[in-house]
Amino acid sequence: QVQLVESGGGLVKPGGSLRLSCAASGFLFRDYYMNWFRQAPGKGLEWLSMITDNGRTVNYADSVKGRFTISRDNAKNFLYLQMNSLTVDDTAVYFCARGEYSIAFWGQGTLVTVSS
Amino acid sequence: IQMTQSPSSMSASVGDRVTITCRASQDISDWLAWYQQKPGKAPNLLIYSASSLQSGVPSRFSGSGSGTDFTLTISSLQAEDSATYYCQQTRSFPRTFGQGTKVEIK
Repeated sequence: QVQLVESGGGLVKPGGSLRLSCAASGFLFRDYYMNWFRQAPGKGLEWLSMITDNGRTVNYADSVKGRFTISRDNAKNFLYLQMNSLTVDDTAVYFCARGEYSIAFWGQGTLVTVSS
Repeated sequence: IQMTQSPSSMSASVGDRVTITCRASQDISDWLAWYQQKPGKAPNLLIYSASSLQSGVPSRFSGSGSGTDFTLTISSLQAEDSATYYCQQTRSFPRTFGQGTKVEIK
């Protein structure tokens, strides 16, 4: 069965960096577009970034463009999100998810807390 | 593209028919999905392409609409439907969500 497991979340100071990972299993990872979403405490869902199956094309939300970088390793079945210049507004649960349009498969999420 | 949902919250009884609306700021054809999210959980896809029922989702859920105006209907509300519901446009980047509709059971 499809499994997506995020890791790498934690507490980081404002201005700091963090790299999230998403381990994919149960499907042919290299054939699928992948995404990162987030949800701040008590708030709604926000799409952050998408990467194509071959990793050649990426898209970002304006809120993270220039600070976050999505990447993937199709040999290892991993998706990544490098997050730099973090601010308190980046505090959220971060989800990885599979799909180009509607998203049927999500990870359980990893919590990122940005605080001094 | 801005997505606006209404209402932001509602309370209904088991067996009631529930309707949630979602309006896009521009024409998105049928590039719309609906999700259900329960506290502490990832979203669950209910409807894709505005009106197609995702596999495994109960038939009491249905979606309709095209262009800018969309509707999610729960034909007979069940206790387990207590959740927050989100619409999302997949017509263009950035993908955007409505602000959510919290459905509570009376």
